[in-house]
Amino acid sequence: DSGVTQTPKHLITATGQRVTLRCSPRSGDLSVYWYQQSLDQGLQFLIQYYNGEERAKGNILERFSAQQFPDLHSELNLSSLELGDSALYFCASSVPGANVLTFGAGSRLTVL
Amino acid sequence: AQKITQTQPGMFVQEKEAVTLDCTYDTSDQSYGLFWYKQPSSGEMIFLIYQGSYDEQNATEGRYSLNFQKARKSANLVISASQLGDSAMYFCALGRNQGGKLIFGQGTELSVKP
Repeated sequence: DSGVTQTPKHLITATGQRVTLRCSPRSGDLSVYWYQQSLDQGLQFLIQYYNGEERAKGNILERFSAQQFPDLHSELNLSSLELGDSALYFCASSVPGANVLTFGAGSRLTVL
Repeated sequence: AQKITQTQPGMFVQEKEAVTLDCTYDTSDQSYGLFWYKQPSSGEMIFLIYQGSYDEQNATEGRYSLNFQKARKSANLVISASQLGDSAMYFCALGRNQGGKLIFGQGTELSVKP
């Protein structure tokens, strides 16, 4: 157990729907990162939050949004889902100034 | 811009032998770090080893070592005495030393044969 908790582990939904993925970072970690892993795109950085504020943005679609709450957990919202959004979504966390990211087990999203 | 390249989509190695997984990178940063992660078939991402750009010695962690050649911009992972449990995807990643996002390569699938 890495200490980073992601829910749900698996999610199956239909095109056009909206889902929310949740992440609780390791105790003491202030940064949360979201990544998308798909067969064609590989591991893509989506967005980073640090202590509640957006710190860096990657290849995140406009249909996707995220936030980090005061208790430091984070949610990734995916809306108007398309077949191509099917992927494994990872959350990772790190302590301030640290360079190693600790990953959660991932949330596997299947869009039918 | 930062870029990571892993040119070996798949590799085979005999159990108990050593194997080298290639990784080259490109960055304009002076201070950066290189990372290797393992992803078994179960899907989780497991951190293996880290090398800072200013580290003069190659990093080692148990059976893992990182062959860092700064002038050639390469950071190859060496796994000694391969075990069946080493069969997995291996990802090389590039980031800044002071923390922040990592950029990942496309990965190398390693298969260890008994």
